[in-house]
Amino acid sequence: KNEVEQSPQNLTAQEGEFITINCSYSVGISALHWLQQHPGGGIVSLFMLSSGKKKHGRLIATINIQEKHSSLHITASHPRDSAVYICAVSTNFGNEKLTFGTGTRLTIIP
Amino acid sequence: DVKVTQSSRYLVKRTGEKVFLECVQDMDHENMFWYRQDPGLGLRLIYFSYDVKMKEKGDIPEGYSVSREKKERFSLILESASTNQTSMYLCASSSPGQGEKLFFGSGTQLSVL
Repeated sequence: KNEVEQSPQNLTAQEGEFITINCSYSVGISALHWLQQHPGGGIVSLFMLSSGKKKHGRLIATINIQEKHSSLHITASHPRDSAVYICAVSTNFGNEKLTFGTGTRLTIIP
Repeated sequence: DVKVTQSSRYLVKRTGEKVFLECVQDMDHENMFWYRQDPGLGLRLIYFSYDVKMKEKGDIPEGYSVSREKKERFSLILESASTNQTSMYLCASSSPGQGEKLFFGSGTQLSVL
C-alpha cells in the first residue's frame, strides 16, 4: 500500500465547476506539498502546509493532521487548470525527502 | 526568476552507454534531488545531496550514481544504461529547513534503446 494515496485518479469537469482533489497519508509528516504538472513535464510547487488552510487565487489547500488527510480545491475552474496534481509528504525535518502520490489528472472542458 | 535547468529535454541512448544528466540551479540552494517519474508510480527519489560532495541514496539508487562538485550543479550518471531506465528524470532543489518549497527542472525524457 502506498504511503500517499490520491483520489480520484482522473477527474473531468466543466468549466466553472468547483473541484476537490483528496490526499490521504499513512505516516507522520512534517509537511505536505501540492504540486502541479502540466503536459510537457514541468512541475510547479503550489502549496506547502503543515496545518490549517492556505489560499492562493482560486486554489485552496487544507490539511487535517489528526485524520492524515488533505484536500486541494479549485474554485471557478478553467481549462488552463487542466494538469496533473500531485500530493507529496515530507517525513523528515530538515530536508525535503518527499514521498509522492501518483497524481490526479484533471481535465476542465470549456 | 529562479531557475532549475536540466541540460536536455529529450535524450535517446543505446543500451550499455554511459549517460550523464546535468542539473544546474541558480538559487544557491543546499539541497538537490534527482527523481524519476513513471506512469502509475509517481515520482521516486534516486539520490539527493544536501551539500557539495555530499550525497545520499534515495529509494531507487541501483544503476545510478551522482556527482556534486559545485553547489549549483548536480549530475546523475547512468553507468551502463538499460532499457528499464527509460523514464522521465526530474531534478529539484530546495533550501534546508522544515518544508521549504521545492523548485523543479522541466525534466529530461530519456529513452534507452
